[in-house]
Amino acid sequence: EPEVTQTPSHQVTQMGQEVILRCVPISNHLYFYWYRQILGQKVEFLVSFYNNEISEKSEIFDDQFSVERPDGSNFTLKIRSTKLEDSAMYFCASREGEVELFFGEGSRLTVL
Amino acid sequence: AQTVTQSQPEMSVQEAETVTLSCTYDTSENNYYLFWYKQPPSRQMILVIRQEAYKQQNATENRFSVNFQKAAKSFSLKISDSQLGDTAMYFCAFFDAGNMLTFGGGTRLMVKP
Repeated sequence: EPEVTQTPSHQVTQMGQEVILRCVPISNHLYFYWYRQILGQKVEFLVSFYNNEISEKSEIFDDQFSVERPDGSNFTLKIRSTKLEDSAMYFCASREGEVELFFGEGSRLTVL
Repeated sequence: AQTVTQSQPEMSVQEAETVTLSCTYDTSENNYYLFWYKQPPSRQMILVIRQEAYKQQNATENRFSVNFQKAAKSFSLKISDSQLGDTAMYFCAFFDAGNMLTFGGGTRLMVKP
């Protein structure tokens, strides 16, 4: 069964460093999302992406965040200068035209 | 903005028993979708069940069913004949015309043998 894959599964970085989280959505899907979940807290929407541009973004998704679909298969989330509070689980999701989102297993980011 | 509230941070149930997880939401929209997602430990979220707001009939998927009360903006999940594999975080979620999925805070369910 097709699935959303994310790499790395866990990344540890120093505060101020740049991080890129990668996602391979399901191949025929058109809508892509990033969510994050700080340990013990709720799952928060970051950004949605459709037709090669951002369609929605939350207040969390400030200038230090960016997304890209560089090659038609990958969907990346870049955090330019990481802060301690960026430590979280980051989930990628995709969907076709239907409303169901399919999630990846997440990338755990630890900022020291 | 839509909000989703799950008032039970943790619940437990004996194996083979029935448990109901609560969810309420707030919206001014009339057409939307509601979901329950399951997140096993260290695994991705998977869809358990969905409900279209325009459908009056409550959705059912095997041992999982919902009680959708549109006027009350309530969407509870009932798990019958609970199994050990049902142990997980359960998230209620709202999908609106803005193509955004909004999650509740989650309920951690523990099924005890």
